[in-house]
Amino acid sequence: DSGVTQTPKHLITATGQRVTLRCSPRSGDLSVYWYQQSLDQGLQFLIQYYNGEERAKGNILERFSAQQFPDLHSELNLSSLELGDSALYFCASSVEGHSTDTQYFGPGTRLTVL
Amino acid sequence: DAKTTQPNSMESNEEEPVHLPCNHSTISGTDYIHWYRQLPSQGPEYVIHGLTSNVNNRMASLAIAEDRKSSTLILHRATLRDAAVYYCILKAGGFKTIFGAGTRLFVKA
Repeated sequence: DSGVTQTPKHLITATGQRVTLRCSPRSGDLSVYWYQQSLDQGLQFLIQYYNGEERAKGNILERFSAQQFPDLHSELNLSSLELGDSALYFCASSVEGHSTDTQYFGPGTRLTVL
Repeated sequence: DAKTTQPNSMESNEEEPVHLPCNHSTISGTDYIHWYRQLPSQGPEYVIHGLTSNVNNRMASLAIAEDRKSSTLILHRATLRDAAVYYCILKAGGFKTIFGAGTRLFVKA
């Protein structure tokens, strides 16, 4: 158990809909990362937050947005969902987000878009 | 962002050492080399990281070439539980974490 929690574990929805994925980092960690893992794309970095502020952006679509709240939990919002958005979404956390930091990954949320 | 190259898959016998290679010829002086692994149906987990010197921890050893253009993750005695996808990643001050395709390790009993 990494100490990072993600809810829900599974999510099934329809094209065009909007969903919110939630992540609680390990106690004491200030930085949160979001990743998408699909069969054909591998593990793709989406975005990183540090203490409520966006720190780095990866291959995140404009239909996706994220935020980190004052209590340090984070949410990833996916809107106008398409079939290709079906994937595992992982959240990770680290102490500060430096290049030497270890990232601790949650168990993931499996999103299925029908 | 500097890229890494790893073999798609490797096979090992249980109880034998495993050497997982990674090439990173465009590495910069500030890039740290990290290794993570992903067990089936789980999120990735940290294995080890280093900058220039070889590193050891309870899970593995990391051997870094003198020119830093390649590195090798060493599992000293592979077990069935080590069957996973192993990712070699370069991380610098840019904060992005770029995962490659990784090496799928198969361990035979």
